[in-house]
Amino acid sequence: DSGVTQTPKHLITATGQRVTLRCSPRSGDLSVYWYQQSLDQGLQFLIQYYNGEERAKGNILERFSAQQFPDLHSELNLSSLELGDSALYFCASSVGWGEVNTGELFFGEGSRLTVL
Amino acid sequence: GESVGLHLPTLSVQEGDNSIINCAYSNSASDYFIWYKQESGKGPQFIIDIRSNMDKRQGQRVTVLLNKTVKHLSLQIAATQPGDSAVYFCAENGGRVGNEKLTFGTGTRLTIIP
Repeated sequence: DSGVTQTPKHLITATGQRVTLRCSPRSGDLSVYWYQQSLDQGLQFLIQYYNGEERAKGNILERFSAQQFPDLHSELNLSSLELGDSALYFCASSVGWGEVNTGELFFGEGSRLTVL
Repeated sequence: GESVGLHLPTLSVQEGDNSIINCAYSNSASDYFIWYKQESGKGPQFIIDIRSNMDKRQGQRVTVLLNKTVKHLSLQIAATQPGDSAVYFCAENGGRVGNEKLTFGTGTRLTIIP
């Protein structure tokens, strides 16, 4: 158990809809990262927050947005969903941000989104 | 452009044997590399990392080798066990600082045959 909690585990919705994925980081971790993993693909970095502020952006679509709340949990909002958005969405957390490469990202078990 | 790729998408190994998972990278500026393990239905889990000032690093039953000349790294798992069955990802930092800038490969699925 990584200590990172993601909900929901599974979500099925229709094209054009909007969903919200939720992540609770490990206790004490201030950084939250969102990754997308499509079928048989690697992990694509979407966005990172540190202590409530956006710190880095990856290949995140304009239809997607995220935020980190004062209690450090984070939400990833996906809107105007398309079939190609079907994927596993992972949240990860770490203590700090940016300064050092540590590789020690603690991943949740992911939210599997299916868009029909 | 930069990329991280794997030589083989799948690998089957007899239980108890050693396994080697390979990874090629193209960004010569990369100076930090990580291996992650992803078991079915779970998120990736950090295994081991290595910085470019090293060519070998050992952990518990795992060894990572880095060959900067040919931009190649490998993960060796000794005395494989059924619990080693998973998808293994390599990742690199492209010479940039910060965990969010890691580039992950597509993964190799390792299957341990009992």
